[in-house]
Amino acid sequence: KNEVEQSPQNLTAQEGEFITINCSYSVGISALHWLQQHPGGGIVSLFMLSSGKKKHGRLIATINIQEKHSSLHITASHPRDSAVYICAVCSNYKLTFGKGTLLTVNP
Amino acid sequence: SAVISQKPSRDICQRGTSLTIQCQVDSQVTMMFWYRQQPGQSLTLIATANQGSEATYESGFVIDKFPISRPNLTFSTLTVSNMSPEDSSIYLCSVARGLNTEAFFGQGTRLTVV
Repeated sequence: KNEVEQSPQNLTAQEGEFITINCSYSVGISALHWLQQHPGGGIVSLFMLSSGKKKHGRLIATINIQEKHSSLHITASHPRDSAVYICAVCSNYKLTFGKGTLLTVNP
Repeated sequence: SAVISQKPSRDICQRGTSLTIQCQVDSQVTMMFWYRQQPGQSLTLIATANQGSEATYESGFVIDKFPISRPNLTFSTLTVSNMSPEDSSIYLCSVARGLNTEAFFGQGTRLTVV
């Protein structure tokens, strides 16, 4: 079993829909990252959080440390949100990554 | 934040050759890392690049195959040596200003070995 599990693996949505991507992990962590990977491979850091909730524009990330679970929400999704979203947990000063969720938003 | 320039962005290489990937950061950073992402897989840490000393490699990765340099706090290189098709992956440079701080990533190098 991977230390970091994401669901769903693939997600297709219509423009404007509310999207949720989930991340569960099995180890104690100091922080959790949500990352966005574009088709060329480059990665952008969206959030780093260790408790509660963070919001940036249409993106919201939440984490429940007791349940070892985090969610990334996208409100009013847009085709430009199409990318791979990756959850990564920081434990013992190292990052462990999920396999990512491929999001496709259709116009 | 930190702005990372990673070069090349992609390359197609012949089996048996070597490729050196460069990672340049716009400011001094404490931590620099090299990751590999094989097709359909999650990112895997290859090594931590240490300034002024040998890199720290993760299990399954060795210096002879992936030599790393870090001459200062803003620059590092990763060489993929004696390449085989199994080395076809995306290689990513990542930096952080300290332990348990936000991580920043380069644009990635998409390597294809033929």
